[in-house]
Amino acid sequence: AQSVAQPEDQVNVAEGNPLTVKCTYSVSGNPYLFWYVQYPNRGLQFLLKYITGDNLVKGSYGFEAEFNKSQTSFHLKKPSALVSDSALYFCAACYTGGFKTIFGAGTRLFVKA
Amino acid sequence: DSGVTQTPKHLITATGQRVTLRCSPRSGDLSVYWYQQSLDQGLQFLIQYYNGEERAKGNILERFSAQQFPDLHSELNLSSLELGDSALYFCASSVSDSLRGTQYFGPGTRLTVL
Repeated sequence: AQSVAQPEDQVNVAEGNPLTVKCTYSVSGNPYLFWYVQYPNRGLQFLLKYITGDNLVKGSYGFEAEFNKSQTSFHLKKPSALVSDSALYFCAACYTGGFKTIFGAGTRLFVKA
Repeated sequence: DSGVTQTPKHLITATGQRVTLRCSPRSGDLSVYWYQQSLDQGLQFLIQYYNGEERAKGNILERFSAQQFPDLHSELNLSSLELGDSALYFCASSVSDSLRGTQYFGPGTRLTVL
């Protein structure tokens, strides 16, 4: 079955420190991978995506993610966290020939000043 | 602001009732997706329309239906409502029907069934 796993319910990091939000996927064929962020009482906002090509993808607000095919992972990273990065982060995946996007359960990022 | 609008923002109704949620996609987007977000199920894909036609169906109950109109706005109809239908319902839009495309999400409609 196709699935996306975000193994951490919450990630805590101090402002200025690097952050990583983990994501692993299990989909058939070549995956398309996405990260979205959700602020309280708002819809999801697109951060970045991997479709093909360079494994390191750069996105909005200084975020980046690395596609690792052998580990079936697509971890979200940022070199220096901001308090304003505190939000709920969703990893999502779909695949060539697939009919829907599958979302992970979400990881709450808390950045402490 | 994603450019996707959803109305109403909040909806409170009783079990057994029927409601309609409305979504207007971003200008130029032909695909509309509906999602349900609940605490226990997470974010679940319900249905996708592309240029007026149903393109894909996910975990949508038979009590739920949707359509996309010629002006590309979409409505999600929920009937015979149950307590478990209480959730946040999101609409998203994208330019094409390909899942490679970025989906832009609306602010959601929070449905409370009492």
